[in-house]
Amino acid sequence: AQTVTQSQPEMSVQEAETVTLSCTYDTSESDYYLFWYKQPPSRQMILVIRQEAYKQQNATENRFSVNFQKAAKSFSLKISDSQLGDAAMYFCAYRSDTENSGGGADGLTFGKGTHLIIQP
Amino acid sequence: EAQVTQNPRYLITVTGKKLTVTCSQNMNHEYMSWYRQDPGLGLRQIYYSMNVEVTDKGDVPEGYKVSRKEKRNFPLILESPSPNQTSLYFCASSPRPNSYEQYFGPGTRLTVT
Repeated sequence: AQTVTQSQPEMSVQEAETVTLSCTYDTSESDYYLFWYKQPPSRQMILVIRQEAYKQQNATENRFSVNFQKAAKSFSLKISDSQLGDAAMYFCAYRSDTENSGGGADGLTFGKGTHLIIQP
Repeated sequence: EAQVTQNPRYLITVTGKKLTVTCSQNMNHEYMSWYRQDPGLGLRQIYYSMNVEVTDKGDVPEGYKVSRKEKRNFPLILESPSPNQTSLYFCASSPRPNSYEQYFGPGTRLTVT
């Protein structure tokens, strides 16, 4: 079964600075997707960025970018020019690209989350 | 607008009183699933459905039931809720299993006293 580890329960950054959230995962598969979700106080799950494992180029969405290291099974999220609205819980997630893998759940496997605090 | 809806959004109930949380999607997705979120544990999958009349257990199915009689609906049933089922619940849907796309509902906060 796949596992996702977020080793930073909480991170704090000054507004306008850059912060990197860590995520590692364990899998024996070669085809999969990786995601970062943001959960603000409203508790809505908001997709921040996603990466297909077969793509070597790191995904970028405006101020958000990832550092995907497939061999190291690492998928960190970098937030540039942090804004107060970035304050939230951030979840890293994995999903297989192969049907009937991992016991058949075929859903997302989440890390435990990182609480990001933005200091004004 | 493409969306996943859940009802109710908030529910406080007592131990043993059967309840149903509804989930509906308007995107004709094949795959639907339920997750629960608990502090310090992230989200864990409860049940999932590959298509109509096809459901299976996720990682934490104990105490829950589901059904998929129509493609758009995937209700979560707690026959005899207990306090350890107090949690935040999310319904989600995808066009197919293992899809790049996943749409989440707004969440249901359940408290069992």
